[in-house]
Amino acid sequence: DIQMTQSPSSVSASVGDRVTITCRASQGISSWLAWYQQKPGKAPKLLIYAASSLQSGVPSRFSGSGSGTDFTLTISSLQPEDFATYYCQQANSFLFTFGGGTKVEIK
Amino acid sequence: EVQLVESGGGLVQPGRSLRLSCTASGFTFGDYAMSWVRQAPGKGLEWVGFIRSKAYGGTTEYAASVKGRFTISRDDSKSIAYLQMNSLKTEDTAVYYCTRLGQLWTYFDYWGQGTLVTVSS
Repeated sequence: DIQMTQSPSSVSASVGDRVTITCRASQGISSWLAWYQQKPGKAPKLLIYAASSLQSGVPSRFSGSGSGTDFTLTISSLQPEDFATYYCQQANSFLFTFGGGTKVEIK
Repeated sequence: EVQLVESGGGLVQPGRSLRLSCTASGFTFGDYAMSWVRQAPGKGLEWVGFIRSKAYGGTTEYAASVKGRFTISRDDSKSIAYLQMNSLKTEDTAVYYCTRLGQLWTYFDYWGQGTLVTVSS
C-alpha cells in the first residue's frame, strides 16, 4: 500500500501569512493527489484535485503543485476561515489513502 | 445541489452487524461511483471502499482493514448506496461518510454529513 506522509502535523500562523503544507507518497502516484479541508464537527471539503486543479467555488488563494512523490498545498494569504485541518489523499490502482493531516492553528 | 445523507448509525455490540444507507440527490446517481470513508474519534480519514457505476460493472474495492467483513451495494432506482458491516470490531468505531467519486475515480468531490457508528459492549 502507498503511504502518505504530511508535514508539518501542525502549524501556527497569522492572518495574512503564506502557509505551505507538504505531502510525500511512498511511491510515485503521477498527479493523482487531492487536498481536503476539514473543520471541527464537519465533513471534509475538496479543495484541489489532480495535484493542481482547483475545485469549483474554492478561493484562488489555495493552490497545489507537485507530481510523482512530492506535493504541496499553499495558502497564499491565510484568512480567518482557513483555520482547519488539511488532508492529502492519493489514488492508485483503485486504492485510496490519506495523509495524517495538518492542523493550521491561529498564532 | 448535490446532497448525500447518511443514516443507520448507532451503538452496536462487537461481532454484530449494521447497515448504513446513503441517500443521494441533485445528480444522476447511476452515473457515479460511490465510496465510504470513515474517521475514528480524534483521528484522521480512512478510506473504506467504493462501488463502481453499473456502466463499469458495479464492482467493488475495499480497504484491507474491512475486506471480507464489509460490503458496499447500490440501488440506482432509489439513489441509495449501502454499507453492510458484519463482524464489527471496537476499532470500527468512527463517523462514516458517504462520498461521491469525481472524474477518473481519483478524488471525493462531495461528502455527506456523516453518521456515527459506535462498537462497544
